Amino acid sequence: KNEVEQSPQNLTAQEGEFITINCSYSVGISALHWLQQHPGGGIVSLFMLSSGKKKHGRLIATINIQEKHSSLHITASHPRDSAVYICAVRAISGNTPLVFGKGTRLSVIA
Amino acid sequence: ETGVTQTPRHLVMGMTNKKSLKCEQHLGHNAMYWYKQSAKKPLELMFVYNFKEQTENNSVPSRFSPECPNSSHLFLHLHTLQPEDSALYLCASSQVSSGLYNEQFFGPGTRLTVL
Repeated sequence: KNEVEQSPQNLTAQEGEFITINCSYSVGISALHWLQQHPGGGIVSLFMLSSGKKKHGRLIATINIQEKHSSLHITASHPRDSAVYICAVRAISGNTPLVFGKGTRLSVIA
Repeated sequence: ETGVTQTPRHLVMGMTNKKSLKCEQHLGHNAMYWYKQSAKKPLELMFVYNFKEQTENNSVPSRFSPECPNSSHLFLHLHTLQPEDSALYLCASSQVSSGLYNEQFFGPGTRLTVL
């Protein structure tokens, strides 16, 4: 069974801090997604990656396929980054929809 | 309208009511999904439609009935729901190519409360 574990579950940070959210999974994957869910429910896709590292603005996502682990980093955090960050993976066969982690709730305090 | 839209955004219904949730995608995708998000639980996949054909039904109770009349529209018909069905229901769409599912785009969700 493919399981996706995220840590921490909850995270409170001061504005400006560097933030790391971790995701571990149990099976070989074809792709890993990081999603952001704001209060009210809307979900936005931040990254889809299968190897290495991607950067978009203050967000950086890395993945280590051998260790079955990914991290999402936020540099110079801001209160508007407060949201739930969700990791999701697609098994290596590629023809299955996503399996989701429970999410990490981030609060950035000014 | 762009992206994935869902209506209504909020719904309160009694256990004997019948209601429907609507999702529309304006992205030209060929696959659509219904997810359920309950408090403190991961997103749960309910149904997948690929080229209007249901390809996955994740052991969802029959009180939830999906309908996909075309590749742009997806409905979730609700009847005789239970209070534990109260949740955020999210619709998503993606492009499926050669059997491979690509990045999903989500709607804003419908927050359902069953009294």
